[in-house]
Amino acid sequence: SAVISQKPSRDICQRGTSLTIQCQVDSQVTMMFWYRQQPGQSLTLIATANQGSEATYESGFVIDKFPISRPNLTFSTLTVSNMSPEDSSIYLCSAGTGQTLETQYFGPGTRLLVL
Amino acid sequence: AQKITQTQPGMFVQEKEAVTLDCTYDTSDPSYGLFWYKQPSSGEMIFLIYQGSYDQQNATEGRYSLNFQKARKSANLVISASQLGDSAMYFCAMRDDKLIFGTGTRLQVFP
Repeated sequence: SAVISQKPSRDICQRGTSLTIQCQVDSQVTMMFWYRQQPGQSLTLIATANQGSEATYESGFVIDKFPISRPNLTFSTLTVSNMSPEDSSIYLCSAGTGQTLETQYFGPGTRLLVL
Repeated sequence: AQKITQTQPGMFVQEKEAVTLDCTYDTSDPSYGLFWYKQPSSGEMIFLIYQGSYDQQNATEGRYSLNFQKARKSANLVISASQLGDSAMYFCAMRDDKLIFGTGTRLQVFP
């Protein structure tokens, strides 16, 4: 199994600022993903973090708002830009392993509150 | 388009009893995977069990088993011998090209 860590674990930010969340996996993984979980809701995929190239964003999410980097096989960052209170959520990093991605693990999440 | 549905917003079960959490899905892709995750109040997502669409047998992991009925497009999670620590949100998820989640079922285990 893969162990995933995220920093920070939580933060309180002012509107209009940006926050970068770091995700570190303890082993090389095939795929890395970023999800958002709004209060009381399920998980929504933001994007797939691709190593060495631009992330693949899901409908409703754009690079200007959520820039993502993945410089190597074990590390990725998600930035939440120009934040508003609607961005208050848990942001989760996820990593897939296995040839057919039959396992996908999640980090502990970053709880973000925007005032 | 892929879709996953959990129709039970909440379930109650007595300790030591078995409980079934429902999940149905829809996809046009013949190759897909089905997952169950547990999310306790701490917020972490804990991987429980995986079933591939071509797997002949139902997946089992300890007290968790997945009742996979391909023709009905259902992938129900069965938890045997419930424990108080099983109280949490449970999410069903499916992957054909990406992993998407159902709305979740809140399970409460009472003594």
